[in-house]
Amino acid sequence: ILNVEQSPQSLHVQEGDSTNFTCSFPSSNFYALHWYRWETAKSPEALFVMTLNGDEKKKGRISATLNTKEGYSYLYIKGSQPEDSATYLCASRYGGAQKLVFGQGTRLTINP
Amino acid sequence: DAMVIQNPRYQVTQFGKPVTLSCSQTLNHNVMYWYQQKSSQAPKLLFHYYDKDFNNEADTPDNFQSRRPNTSFCFLDIRSPGLGDAAMYLCATRKGTGWYGYTFGSGTRLTVV
Repeated sequence: ILNVEQSPQSLHVQEGDSTNFTCSFPSSNFYALHWYRWETAKSPEALFVMTLNGDEKKKGRISATLNTKEGYSYLYIKGSQPEDSATYLCASRYGGAQKLVFGQGTRLTINP
Repeated sequence: DAMVIQNPRYQVTQFGKPVTLSCSQTLNHNVMYWYQQKSSQAPKLLFHYYDKDFNNEADTPDNFQSRRPNTSFCFLDIRSPGLGDAAMYLCATRKGTGWYGYTFGSGTRLTVV
């Protein structure tokens, strides 16, 4: 059974501070790693899709890195804002299969 | 805007009474997925369609069925809902080729009473 783990499960950060959290996944037969942001009462929204070891992606104040050899990805948020409050899901894809295996998410709350 | 729409947003059903959740898309994506998410757990894949090809996960209970009558629509049927089936049900779509992410609907929250 493939297991994707995210830590921490929840996080409270002061507005303006930077933060990061982790996604760990089995590295064998790895194909791609996805990050999604899920705000309350909305649809999960795709942030990044990463495939290569050493990949770094950036979208505004949010960036992500990927290490496929050791099986982890970090998501960084610089200068957190209240609108960053959401659950951040990572998911990995294996062997060219059409499906993703999700982690349980990191619930981020930004305190004004 | 092209999107994935799930109806209803909230569904209350009685124990044992069949219920159907629906998902529609205007993206013309090949692949459609149904995920079940229980509180604070990882979304769990129930099944997916690649075009008309149905793919069931090995641990999806027989109580769950799905239909995809055309590219745009996909339905999740729960034949005899139990209390343990109360969850958020997420529909997602994806282009079948390339490195694209999923496009999700906003989910249906199912309550079983």
